[in-house]
Amino acid sequence: QSVLTQPPSASGTPGQRVTISCSGSSSNIGNNFVYWYQHLPGTAPKLLIYRNNQRPSGVPDRFSGSKSGTSASLAISGLRSDDEADYYCAGWDDSLSGWVFGGGTKLTVL
Amino acid sequence: QVQLQESGPGLVKPSQTLSLTCTVSGGSISSGSYYWSWIRQPAGKGLEWIGRIYTTGSTDYNPSLKSRVTISLDTSKNQFSLRLSSVTAADTAVYYCARDPGVVAARGFDYWGQGTLVTVSS
Repeated sequence: QSVLTQPPSASGTPGQRVTISCSGSSSNIGNNFVYWYQHLPGTAPKLLIYRNNQRPSGVPDRFSGSKSGTSASLAISGLRSDDEADYYCAGWDDSLSGWVFGGGTKLTVL
Repeated sequence: QVQLQESGPGLVKPSQTLSLTCTVSGGSISSGSYYWSWIRQPAGKGLEWIGRIYTTGSTDYNPSLKSRVTISLDTSKNQFSLRLSSVTAADTAVYYCARDPGVVAARGFDYWGQGTLVTVSS
């Protein structure tokens, strides 16, 4: 059981916009930044979003993040086949004094 | 460009201690205000943060693993290490090391190793 809650799966067709939600509590998302990672099997996870909505250099602006209260969302627009991956939200938890992750959302591009 | 590489045994017997090392290149592990973390992913499951060590040697651990985890730093070799004692099959996972600029800098885990699979089996 992950501290942050994500839907196990999401899907869309090429060109579509999809969103992935992440729900937490006041001890994590509600009081700290949210991060999003893209993970392809057999590779290292890649940082997509930091500080709720900031993109590291090299991450396309098709990826965007938002946060409201104790929930956050990752939006991917102009969906491409190579966006097919697992996506994880993460954040610092003040009660646990550690990093927590969501259970991950498997994105399928139909 | 910072690079991280995990190394260690791929097979550990139940009840024994899992030991992994992460070698950092492209930068000194003791410079800058960075934490160095271990994260794992059991097969078919999500990512789990294990713990981290700061450049001063101070540590934070996941409460669920704290009694079994030790993370240490070897600045002379530019490495940090993980020891997980009394392992069971539930500890079978891909283990990653990652750089963490910290909660204040808030830049997320910006560099990761490729991961190493550790299987716990007799």
